[in-house]
Amino acid sequence: AQTVTQSQPEMSVQEAETVTLSCTYDTSESDYYLFWYKQPPSRQMILVIRQEAYKQQNATENRFSVNFQKAAKSFSLKISDSQLGDAAMYFCAYRETMDSNYQLIWGAGTKLIIKP
Amino acid sequence: GAVVSQHPSRVICKSGTSVKIECRSLDFQATTMFWYRQFPKQSLMLMATSNEGSKATYEQGVEKDKFLINHASLTLSTLTVTSAHPEDSSFYICSAPATGGSTEAFFGQGTRLTVV
Repeated sequence: AQTVTQSQPEMSVQEAETVTLSCTYDTSESDYYLFWYKQPPSRQMILVIRQEAYKQQNATENRFSVNFQKAAKSFSLKISDSQLGDAAMYFCAYRETMDSNYQLIWGAGTKLIIKP
Repeated sequence: GAVVSQHPSRVICKSGTSVKIECRSLDFQATTMFWYRQFPKQSLMLMATSNEGSKATYEQGVEKDKFLINHASLTLSTLTVTSAHPEDSSFYICSAPATGGSTEAFFGQGTRLTVV
């Protein structure tokens, strides 16, 4: 069965600095999607960034970028120029491409604290 | 983007009563809806998958008779917590997978249930 591991329960970063959140996963599939979701205090889940496994190029979305290492099954999230609004729980998630139910497998989450 | 509207956002009920949570897909048809439970500072735990017009699929350990799921139309899925007890107090989230080839999932705002 696929698993997603986030080994950092909590991370803190000074405002305007850069922070990297770690995520590893285990799968025997070669085709899949990986996601980072943000859950702010409002608890609304927000998609931050996604990566298709067949793409070698790392995804980027403004201040958010990933380091996708397929062989190592690693999918870290880098947040540059951290802002107070980035404070939230961050969840890494995995989905098989061929899963007709589109079910997501979730990591345990990392709480990100931004220090002003 | 697509919107999933979840109501109520907060509900307090007495032990022994039932509570219904609704999730509506506002601008797309959701043939599948995931229902999650989230404990404080923890990840999303999949409870069940509802499919329009058929019986829901429950995850191991989730009581079917306590958490009744109905997906009677392509735009509405409901979760009814029957004979609620204080241990059912939690945050419940619904999510509809993407359609039309998109990889994104769409989340309701969540419902905080408190059973007193």
